[in-house]
Amino acid sequence: DSGVTQTPKHLITATGQRVTLRCSPRSGDLSVYWYQQSLDQGLQFLIQYYNGEERAKGNILERFSAQQFPDLHSELNLSSLELGDSALYFCASSVWGSTDTQYFGPGTRLTVL
Amino acid sequence: DAKTTQPNSMESNEEEPVHLPCNHSTISGTDYIHWYRQLPSQGPEYVIHGLTSNVNNRMASLAIAEDRKSSTLILHRATLRDAAVYYCILGRQGNLIFGKGTKLSVKP
Repeated sequence: DSGVTQTPKHLITATGQRVTLRCSPRSGDLSVYWYQQSLDQGLQFLIQYYNGEERAKGNILERFSAQQFPDLHSELNLSSLELGDSALYFCASSVWGSTDTQYFGPGTRLTVL
Repeated sequence: DAKTTQPNSMESNEEEPVHLPCNHSTISGTDYIHWYRQLPSQGPEYVIHGLTSNVNNRMASLAIAEDRKSSTLILHRATLRDAAVYYCILGRQGNLIFGKGTKLSVKP
């Protein structure tokens, strides 16, 4: 158990819909990261937040957005969903950022029908 | 993006040492070398990381070449639980760029 929690564990929805994935980082960690893992693309870094501020952006689509709240939990919002958005979404946290070890949550499996 | 090259798959026997190689010829001076692994149906798990010197922890050892263009993750005694995909990653500005990794199979 990494100490990072993600909800929900599974999510099934239809194309065109919008969903929100939630992540609670380890106690004391200020950075939160979001990753997408699909069969054909592997693990892709999406975005990082540090203490409420966006710190780095990876391959995140414009239809996707994220935020980190004052209590440091984070949400990833996915809208206008397409079949290709079906994937595992992982959240990770670290104390600061930079070269810190990242601790990953168990993931949310999103299925878009 | 900083790129690493790893074999697609490797096999090992239980209780024998395993050496997982990684090439990273485009590494820059400030890039840390990270290793993570992902067991089936789980999120990635930190294994070890280093900058220049060899590193040891309870899970593994990391041997870094003198020119830093390659490194080797060493599992001293493989167990069935070590069967996973192992990722060698160059950490640049805190972001981990995962490649395809090496799928390690451990035979009893």
